Amino acid sequence: NAGVTQTPKFQVLKTGQSMTLQCAQDMNHNSMYWYRQDPGMGLRLIYYSASEGTTDKGEVPNGYNVSRLNKREFSLRLESAAPSQTSVYFCASSEAWGSNQPQHFGDGTRLSIL
Amino acid sequence: AQSVTQLDSHVSVSEGTPVLLRCNYSSSYSPSLFWYVQHPNKGLQLLLKYTSAATLVKGINGFEAEFKKSETSFHLTKPSAHMSDAAEYFCVVRESGYSTLTFGKGTMLLVSP
Repeated sequence: NAGVTQTPKFQVLKTGQSMTLQCAQDMNHNSMYWYRQDPGMGLRLIYYSASEGTTDKGEVPNGYNVSRLNKREFSLRLESAAPSQTSVYFCASSEAWGSNQPQHFGDGTRLSIL
Repeated sequence: AQSVTQLDSHVSVSEGTPVLLRCNYSSSYSPSLFWYVQHPNKGLQLLLKYTSAATLVKGINGFEAEFKKSETSFHLTKPSAHMSDAAEYFCVVRESGYSTLTFGKGTMLLVSP
């Protein structure tokens, strides 16, 4: 009964390093999302994938890329990490684009960039 | 464009007293509204959702919320707070036909013995 699994849970990077955050869901959901959470800001959408084979920018996409590897997996890549990308990153999934069903969230990846 | 305003960044209550977390939204079309809870170092857990059925929505752990279209509000309540309710709560809106969510900035609920 895993739901949405994110790896790693914690990571420290140096400025300029690259990193890929992994996300997998086992609920056979079509849509997946990446958010970042900063203190006092709520969650902000970085990228989403409405269905396998499609990706779109959200509210704060600069400095990130994504890959929808298959129906289960959606990864987020930081090509050249910057201190402003220090945040907690959440992956989520939902049954289908536009449905009334809620999004389900992973436990997050806590990323610090020095 | 949709937006969500959580009117209090922090709410403090004593155990056993009522909880009220306030949320106002703005949306062009018929929205879906959600409350999520986040315990420390955890992901977000769905408390309850409103999707144009009954305006009074019951959720998990004794929480409920009432959708008031005339006031554009979706306040979260619980009759009696428990220590385990201490967490951050997010009010979230979704436009009809879309799946992207707009989050409020969160309300931290503190529960004292």
